Amino acid sequence: GQQLNQSPQSMFIQEGEDVSMNCTSSSIFNTWLWYKQDPGEGPVLLIALYKAGELTSNGRLTAQFGITRKDSFLNISASIPSDVGIYFCAGPPNTGNQFYFGTGTSLTVIP
Amino acid sequence: KAGVTQTPRYLIKTRGQQVTLSCSPISGHRSVSWYQQTPGQGLQFLFEYFSETQRNKGNFPGRFSGRQFSNSRSEMNVSTLELGDSALYLCASSLQRLTDTQYFGPGTRLTVL
Repeated sequence: GQQLNQSPQSMFIQEGEDVSMNCTSSSIFNTWLWYKQDPGEGPVLLIALYKAGELTSNGRLTAQFGITRKDSFLNISASIPSDVGIYFCAGPPNTGNQFYFGTGTSLTVIP
Repeated sequence: KAGVTQTPRYLIKTRGQQVTLSCSPISGHRSVSWYQQTPGQGLQFLFEYFSETQRNKGNFPGRFSGRQFSNSRSEMNVSTLELGDSALYLCASSLQRLTDTQYFGPGTRLTVL
């Protein structure tokens, strides 16, 4: 799949801090998905967003579907060591039969 | 409901050999996609199968092929292995279309020596 612009590329934070990352595209998206991947494992779906402006939470994670439909944001509150991993955004643009992935944000939580 | 399963989890092969990887989708999911993940290239789309037919294809050489069975289970084959084929191969299933929400399996780590 084509890659989306995801930032930051990596983050080093203290345990307990909040985290924000975002994903942007030049294309309009119908769905935004956020995944977390641990080393050597497959991505696990965290949050799925299906509507512009939608704000969805999953525990300490909150994600938003940008109103322009060209971006999405993921926030993690009160980070803990098990949040360590790589976070990917992904989704299908509204044109064509494709599925794009972000370049990933590597998160390190320092105890 | 069981998730996507992939077998084997790990494989070591030598150059020139061929390999077959297997994927069982979530029950009720009919679309199965395959991806190659390497540190330098990220997630690269290989192909998607639906109703035993390859419906979409990425930009990989013909050494990479796949098939899907009537129960939606899918296999991926790589022939004449090269060192550069070493990667994590991920399978994802979705309800009907490539553009539906995709759920990934744990992956197969292939090492080519």
